[in-house]
Amino acid sequence: EVQLVESGGGLVQPGGSLRLSCTASGFTFSSNAMNWVRQAPGKGLEWVSALAGNSGSTYYADSVKGRFTISRDNSKNTLYLQMNSLRAEDTAVYYCAKGRAYQIAPLDYWGQGTLVTVSS
Amino acid sequence: DIQMTQSPSSQSASVGDRVTITCRASQSISSYLNWYQQKPGKAPKLLIYDASSLQTGVPSRFSGSGSGTDFTLTISSLQPEDFATYYCQQSYSTPFPTFGQGTKVEIK
Repeated sequence: EVQLVESGGGLVQPGGSLRLSCTASGFTFSSNAMNWVRQAPGKGLEWVSALAGNSGSTYYADSVKGRFTISRDNSKNTLYLQMNSLRAEDTAVYYCAKGRAYQIAPLDYWGQGTLVTVSS
Repeated sequence: DIQMTQSPSSQSASVGDRVTITCRASQSISSYLNWYQQKPGKAPKLLIYDASSLQTGVPSRFSGSGSGTDFTLTISSLQPEDFATYYCQQSYSTPFPTFGQGTKVEIK
């Protein structure tokens, strides 16, 4: 059974940093593309970042480029999102999601999400 | 960037109704269109990928159609557990997939 479990969310001040983690199980983590998607309170879904499977190439939405870094540790089956220079508009539930059939999208499995609140 | 526009933004329906949700892309995306269902407080769930392929485990009352710029998600007979928000997503411009704004299906 595929499982994705996020952690690391919390309250952080504007300009601060936070690192999210997503621990995966039930599939070959190293071969699959992984994504971060966020959802601001009461709003829709926004794709944030992706990390390709075998190539390890990384991709970012314009709204986070230069501030967020996606990475993975295949030995720990864990995906990360390092978030720096956080802004109030980064407040959201952050989901990690697996790409289907070794592609970045569609996203066939999602974690339960972790809430990031950026506020002073 | 490819923009995805869903209509309607919300819809009231009764159990047993046939429900149709539309998604329009700002340019042709071939059949690279996916549909997700999200219930309050829960993660999204993939329903349909590549415009019309049913994800494993999804009930057959859900179906998708379309190609190019216009796409449709149909629920043939709405069930109580189907009241949720539905999102389309284009994966034509992967690795930069974008979502529609969502359609909330509410109880009439």
